[in-house]
Amino acid sequence: AQSVTQPDIHITVSEGASLELRCNYSYGATPYLFWYVQSPGQGLQLLLKYFSGDTLVQGIKGFEAEFKRSQSSFNLRKPSVHWSDAAEYFCAVGAITGGGNKLTFGTGTQLKVEL
Amino acid sequence: GAVVSQHPSRVICKSGTSVKIECRSLDFQATTMFWYRQFPKQSLMLMATSNEGSKATYEQGVEKDKFLINHASLTLSTLTVTSAHPEDSSFYICSARTSVETQYFGPGTRLLVL
Repeated sequence: AQSVTQPDIHITVSEGASLELRCNYSYGATPYLFWYVQSPGQGLQLLLKYFSGDTLVQGIKGFEAEFKRSQSSFNLRKPSVHWSDAAEYFCAVGAITGGGNKLTFGTGTQLKVEL
Repeated sequence: GAVVSQHPSRVICKSGTSVKIECRSLDFQATTMFWYRQFPKQSLMLMATSNEGSKATYEQGVEKDKFLINHASLTLSTLTVTSAHPEDSSFYICSARTSVETQYFGPGTRLLVL
């Protein structure tokens, strides 16, 4: 069974500083990996996804993530954080089943941005 | 990107009543939709996979008679919480699959059972 670990429950960064959110996964085959962002009371918005190919993936809002198979990691990065980036971030791994992509989510990282 | 809506966004009901939540894909057809439940400050837990024209597939530990899922068309799936109790209070989120790899999520429905 697949699993996702997000070691950091909370992270606080200053506006303009760089950001890295950690994600480690466990999956028996090549994973499909995702990062989602959730603002308070809202659903999830897809930031980026990795299926295959280039291990550095560019997403929306200036985010990027790098797939490192040797470390089973898919860390999310942003060079300069904006106050509007404050939200909950979820990493997810997908497994192809008969009914489609079944996602397993990490427990999330709450990002706080200090002005 | 693809848009998924949910209705209602918030609902308060009395214990013992049933509540229906709708999930619609607005600009695409989805043969598969998913229902998740999210507890406060926790991750999303997959409840069931909803397949158009067939029975839903429930995750282990989810009562199918309590959480009725109907996927009557390619753009609509409904989740009915039957005989709701306070412990059913939660944030319910649906998603719709646009391809084998990608899901788009609705904004969620906050259910409070008194």
